[in-house]
Amino acid sequence: GDSVTQMEGPVTLSEEAFLTINCTYTATGYPSLFWYVQYPGEGLQLLLKATKADDKGSNKGFEATYRKETTSFHLEKGSVQVSDSAVYFCAFARMDSSYKLIFGSGTRLLVRP
Amino acid sequence: DAGVIQSPRHEVTEMGQEVTLRCKPISGHDYLFWYRQTMMRGLELLIYFNNNVPIDDSGMPEDRFSAKMPNASFSTLKIQPSEPRDSAVYFCASSSPQQGGGYTFGSGTRLTVV
Repeated sequence: GDSVTQMEGPVTLSEEAFLTINCTYTATGYPSLFWYVQYPGEGLQLLLKATKADDKGSNKGFEATYRKETTSFHLEKGSVQVSDSAVYFCAFARMDSSYKLIFGSGTRLLVRP
Repeated sequence: DAGVIQSPRHEVTEMGQEVTLRCKPISGHDYLFWYRQTMMRGLELLIYFNNNVPIDDSGMPEDRFSAKMPNASFSTLKIQPSEPRDSAVYFCASSSPQQGGGYTFGSGTRLTVV
């Protein structure tokens, strides 16, 4: 069935380190892919998205590329800041009549000064 | 737009009481979703609506949970009677595929049942 697999956290990094959070998905067809971020005490916010193969989504220094051949959508950032500490969720949506987002379990990122 | 608005932000109630959570979606969004988030289970989709009609309620845990969407600008999630295991953060989200996909989430209601 449809599912999203994310690397387990917490991921702990020092400020200015390089970040990768792995995400792979299992879905039929060609879904749209998303990364959401949840800061403490808040709801989920859309961070970036990609709607077709080889698309690169980017926002606030974060990037992720839609890799159809490996069914992956890994999140990267070249230099993390303390303010990036949050939980990151990978998700996909089949753009059919169901239009449900399938979420991964989330990866907590802790960035130390 | 003010975004998705949920109320209340926090709710503390005694076991057995009725709880009603409220959500105002973004104007023009034709999909509305209710999620529950806990440490143990993560993010769970409870129910979603399209054009005010419930499409999939398979995530609603028990008959104690019910949700309505009487019009395009308002939805409620009701728990009656509430139990301590219902304690969680409940999120509402809305979306419109015609606007590029992705959901907009509210800030959530933190429910504590004692």
